[in-house]
Amino acid sequence: AQRVTQPEKLLSVFKGAPVELKCNYSYSGSPELFWYVQYSRQRLQLLLRHISRESIKGFTADLNKGETSFHLKKPFAQEEDSAMYYCALSGSGSARQLTFGSGTQLTVLP
Amino acid sequence: DGGITQSPKYLFRKEGQNVTLSCEQNLNHDAMYWYRQDPGQGLRLIYYSQIVNDFQKGDIAEGYSVSREKKESFPLTVTSAQKNPTAFYLCASSPRLDGETQYFGPGTRLLVL
Repeated sequence: AQRVTQPEKLLSVFKGAPVELKCNYSYSGSPELFWYVQYSRQRLQLLLRHISRESIKGFTADLNKGETSFHLKKPFAQEEDSAMYYCALSGSGSARQLTFGSGTQLTVLP
Repeated sequence: DGGITQSPKYLFRKEGQNVTLSCEQNLNHDAMYWYRQDPGQGLRLIYYSQIVNDFQKGDIAEGYSVSREKKESFPLTVTSAQKNPTAFYLCASSPRLDGETQYFGPGTRLLVL
């Protein structure tokens, strides 16, 4: 079975500080990994996916298959980054549906 | 925004009552999904559908039922068998069930009276 773990429920950083949201996964095959974000009073939306290797809003995430991790990073946090962040995994075959982690609430302090 | 709509925004259920949550999409997506969002537990998959007239149970299907009679519609019924229905319910869709990006609706909050 596939599993996604986000060990931090809450994370606070000061504006301008680096931020890293941790995500570890368990899956025997080749996964596709995503980060979704939910800003206050907005819909859940895709932030980035590993296959596109894009940097969105200054965030990047690298898939580390050796450590089975997909941590989300930003070198200089902004107050508008405050949101709930979910890591998600899609497998293959009968496991193509997304499995979400429990989420990390990021607060960027002024 | 737009593309996926959910109604109502808030729904109240009495004990022993079945209630139906609506989800409609105009994105021409084949796949649709229902999730339950509880504090501290993230999103858990209830049911999903790859195509019209087909649907599969997710991780927490007990006490729920769905139908997919039209491509654009995927209603969720919370039955009286669901003993802890109070939650935020999210509907999503994607072009296919194939690791594609999912697009989410605004959600329905269900409360038990």
